[in-house]
Amino acid sequence: DTGVSQDPRHKITKRGQNVTFRCDPISEHNRLYWYRQTLGQGPEFLTYFQNEAQLEKSRLLSDRFSAERPKGSFSTLEIQRTEQGDSAMYLCASSLLTGANYGYTFGSGTRLTVV
Amino acid sequence: AQSVTQLDSQVPVFEEAPVELRCNYSSSVSVYLFWYVQYPNQGLQLLLKYLSGSTLVKGINGFEAEFNKSQTSFHLRKPSVHISDTAEYFCAVSETTGGFKTIFGAGTRLFVKA
Repeated sequence: DTGVSQDPRHKITKRGQNVTFRCDPISEHNRLYWYRQTLGQGPEFLTYFQNEAQLEKSRLLSDRFSAERPKGSFSTLEIQRTEQGDSAMYLCASSLLTGANYGYTFGSGTRLTVV
Repeated sequence: AQSVTQLDSQVPVFEEAPVELRCNYSSSVSVYLFWYVQYPNQGLQLLLKYLSGSTLVKGINGFEAEFNKSQTSFHLRKPSVHISDTAEYFCAVSETTGGFKTIFGAGTRLFVKA
């Protein structure tokens, strides 16, 4: 397993367009998390899944944002009608539920620029 | 709810000098504590973690941190830094039950000078 993969690495889109990002977690990890990171800030929690169930969503996740993990493996994050304020790095992380190995493994992120 | 405060936004230090990056947290429940490192244009990498047991934890790249429950702190230290340690460092806290959602601090930029 090569770790957490995110695609694409970079996305430039015009305001008002829809974008979709993909995350492939480590295969045996049952938890998957999405975070958003803006310049000079730490990652902010957006949502997380345990297997295919979306168990929590942040207030940051407006109605324009939707995330899925249909088969408990990869996940997608879609942003509809993008706004300039959506420009950020979107990070995906996965982890085991608990245990001595607990801790996030992050992907390299998708950098979104809305022009 | 948990929160994390990293007391220094930037820490410049000369190569081979010791460094301490400070972190304080707030929580009404028991927590796990983490330090992550982020190099430019990359995701975050786990440096070390405190889950239970010994309050002094050792991580990768020669870093260590000490959990101090009475002071609600988890400061990161390295006795001798290298140029390659230049990066952004994030302290993080996670609840030990429920969603295990992790909350991150705003980060400390460590800049190692030759």
